[in-house]
Amino acid sequence: AQSVTQLDSQVPVFEEAPVELRCNYSSSVSVYLFWYVQYPNQGLQLLLKYLSGSTLVKGINGFEAEFNKSQTSFHLRKPSVHISDTAEYFCAVSERGTSYGKLTFGQGTILTVHP
Amino acid sequence: DAGVTQSPTHLIKTRGQHVTLRCSPISGHKSVSWYQQVLGQGPQFIFQYYEKEERGRGNFPDRFSARQFPNYSSELNVNALLLGDSALYLCASSLTGAGNTIYFGEGSWLTVV
Repeated sequence: AQSVTQLDSQVPVFEEAPVELRCNYSSSVSVYLFWYVQYPNQGLQLLLKYLSGSTLVKGINGFEAEFNKSQTSFHLRKPSVHISDTAEYFCAVSERGTSYGKLTFGQGTILTVHP
Repeated sequence: DAGVTQSPTHLIKTRGQHVTLRCSPISGHKSVSWYQQVLGQGPQFIFQYYEKEERGRGNFPDRFSARQFPNYSSELNVNALLLGDSALYLCASSLTGAGNTIYFGEGSWLTVV
């Protein structure tokens, strides 16, 4: 079984400032890692995913995340945020090697970007 | 191309009633899964279907059931609705194969009164 912990429920930040959203996971098996974003009253959109290879993953909208196996973390970063980045962000994992991806999500982090 | 489409987008039901939610996957996607997202929480896995067979089930009571049709669309059924079933129900589709991106629809908002 897997579990995901997002360490901050809310992160306020000013426009053009850097931001880091933290995610730790626990699993007895190897996993794939994902970050999704959810804008108000919408479904989930994939930002980026880590399957293998380089531990630094770049995604859409200028976001990137780094996989740290020893710390079982997958933190999401953006060097300069915009007002339009205001949304809820979810970290998720799925068991490596399975053909039918079941995602286990964290509780979410609400990012609020202030002008 | 159309994304994952769900219907209805919003609905209100009374305790004890039954509800059916519908989902059409992205063209070419044969795997469909359902998630429940209660306000303020992350989505919780309910079911996954592939080629009309259930491939996974989350920790939900038997009041929840689903099926997948030959055209890969899917229905989620919930019987004997409880107030706690009020949530956003998300459908997702993907190609089969490890690590494939799972695409989500915009969800069906269910309110039980």
